[in-house]
Amino acid sequence: ETGVTQTPRHLVMGMTNKKSLKCEQHLGHNAMYWYKQSAKKPLELMFVYSLEERVENNSVPSRFSPECPNSSHLFLHLHTLQPEDSALYLCASSQAREPSNIQYFGAGTRLSVL
Amino acid sequence: DQQVKQNSPSLSVQEGRISILNCDYTNSMFDYFLWYKKYPAEGPTFLISISSIKDKNEDGRFTVFLNKSAKHLSLHIVPSQPGDSAVYFCAASAAGKSTFGDGTTLTVKP
Repeated sequence: ETGVTQTPRHLVMGMTNKKSLKCEQHLGHNAMYWYKQSAKKPLELMFVYSLEERVENNSVPSRFSPECPNSSHLFLHLHTLQPEDSALYLCASSQAREPSNIQYFGAGTRLSVL
Repeated sequence: DQQVKQNSPSLSVQEGRISILNCDYTNSMFDYFLWYKKYPAEGPTFLISISSIKDKNEDGRFTVFLNKSAKHLSLHIVPSQPGDSAVYFCAASAAGKSTFGDGTTLTVKP
């Protein structure tokens, strides 16, 4: 496999469920990102891990919990979500400290919270 | 306050003609500017970038122009092809961190 892979591609969950989104990159990068894309809104940066250390947490509610066990894997743990959390969740990776910050994205997980 | 803006949510052009997508920014600390392209059911893919020390970068049919005094950049696609129909995101980076615009949906009609 190459590039950035996200699973699952689609997820429907109730507000009381606990689920996890997974991202894996095979590009040898050392920075990984979670973004949220809601309809008619810009990409919202949620979390950044650089060299496996969380370097950014953009005021994201605690019902979203990221985990980066190594430089190739990134998880987003979800619990007690709200309907307004329904969105496309995108994972990306890049080379840390590379000035242009070119990011490589996965296809995303389309999340629906009922 | 949105630091990167794409004021046109959509653009429609005829095949073979030029497509011009625009982007404005407010932060003068941005040192790289990038364009990404997104097809439905896929993640954004990097298209072309430009350093703040340049005013033009060209890659095949794609050219990005940067006007620092106006804090404006544009992406020119010529000639436009139906396969170019997608959402185009402008992004600006500073200190290795990127900020994205809302995106412009380009439709190229055969």
